[in-house]
Amino acid sequence: NAGVTQTPKFRVLKTGQSMTLLCAQDMNHEYMYWYRQDPGMGLRLIHYSVGEGTTAKGEVPDGYNVSRLKKQNFLLGLESAAPSQTSVYFCASNTPGQLVTGYNEQFFGPGTRLTVL
Amino acid sequence: DAKTTQPTSMDCAEGRAANLPCNHSTISGNEYVYWYRQIHSQGPQYIIHGLKNNETNEMASLIITEDRKSSTLILPHATLRDTAVYYCIVILTGANNLFFGTGTRLTVIP
Repeated sequence: NAGVTQTPKFRVLKTGQSMTLLCAQDMNHEYMYWYRQDPGMGLRLIHYSVGEGTTAKGEVPDGYNVSRLKKQNFLLGLESAAPSQTSVYFCASNTPGQLVTGYNEQFFGPGTRLTVL
Repeated sequence: DAKTTQPTSMDCAEGRAANLPCNHSTISGNEYVYWYRQIHSQGPQYIIHGLKNNETNEMASLIITEDRKSSTLILPHATLRDTAVYYCIVILTGANNLFFGTGTRLTVIP
């Protein structure tokens, strides 16, 4: 299993350009997430999805859109990139938490490093 | 979700136990303590979790105080590959938001 993969690994954009980040998972997970990580900071949740065709806002959703047309894919779009969106973007996935054990591990991809000039 | 407080950085000699503390004084009764680590800007990796009992797996041990207001992650024999940022996160089962703070940067010294 490849786990969680992200495309591309690196990207440089100019202000105002648009792009889409692709996340794919082969673990048949219901839930998928997009986080961003700024230098020296922890990860912050942008958007997430609890199933195919569903999306929800996280902590920092402004300036981003997402789509979950297929269970295995979660796309993150930037319609008009801004320098403030320069960050490392991580995708993650998991299954619903187990109530008995509390197990709720999220599996993370390797990240996409985005620079907006 | 309850917030957590961790030291910014710690050093540990290779082969010794690394003890990473976390304070979560506002934790509620149905919130779990989770630990993740992030090695050199890779994606975070799950280590261990617990509710109120001490837990151990092949990677680490988690000691939670009786009042559940703090916990300690123990790496019994730290290696250079354990150098990473360690995040302590408190979360309800089934909740989707993992609130990462800035974590503890652990440096294992040869």
